[in-house]
Amino acid sequence: ETVLTQSPGTLSLSPGETATLSCRASQSINSNYLAWYQQKPGQAPRLLMYGTSGRATGVPDRFSGSGSGTDFTLTISSLEPEDFAVYYCQQYGSSQFTFGPGTKVEI
Amino acid sequence: QVQLQPWGAGLLKPSETLSLTCAVYGGSVSGYYWSWIRQSPGKGLEWIGEINYSGSTTYNPSLESRVTISVDTSKNQFSLKVSSVTAADTAVYYCVREARTRTWFDPWGQGTLVTVSS
Repeated sequence: ETVLTQSPGTLSLSPGETATLSCRASQSINSNYLAWYQQKPGQAPRLLMYGTSGRATGVPDRFSGSGSGTDFTLTISSLEPEDFAVYYCQQYGSSQFTFGPGTKVEI
Repeated sequence: QVQLQPWGAGLLKPSETLSLTCAVYGGSVSGYYWSWIRQSPGKGLEWIGEINYSGSTTYNPSLESRVTISVDTSKNQFSLKVSSVTAADTAVYYCVREARTRTWFDPWGQGTLVTVSS
């Protein structure tokens, strides 16, 4: 099983700042199978990024993803108030899906 | 736009069987893989298993001995059963579509809270 580790656990920022979220895999993964989700309190996670750098429908271009191998990054430029949430990375490999523990972006 | 609507018993006693069903609206179960995911404070997001329209399944090895996922194409829905539940199975359960087979999940149904308590 590929274990995903996210850092930091919590990111305290202000609107307008840039958030850089890290997702590290215990073994190399296919970048086509790395996704990011945003979850707000009381809501289901929402697909944000797919295939490492593809933006899901309706996702603003201040969200960007990058990475390869074992290290992946989600960057949120110029944080808006609605961006404060928990972000999860997810991968598929060896017939299994796994998620990271999440990064909370808070004000 | 595809929408997923889960339903099922929300309160169980230890050793009972969890049973949830997810109806698919605005699209067909055919041609896609469908998964169940749960979220608990202690274990975060955990993939339970998947099924396709023909009934082919893959389960998380950690749950495989207790999990059954099935599909009913005539009703356009799929279901989850988890046997011999314990408090550790208390979680919010989500039904989701694999947007492309075995890649990422979109959309997600609303979560349904299942509590196991004596």
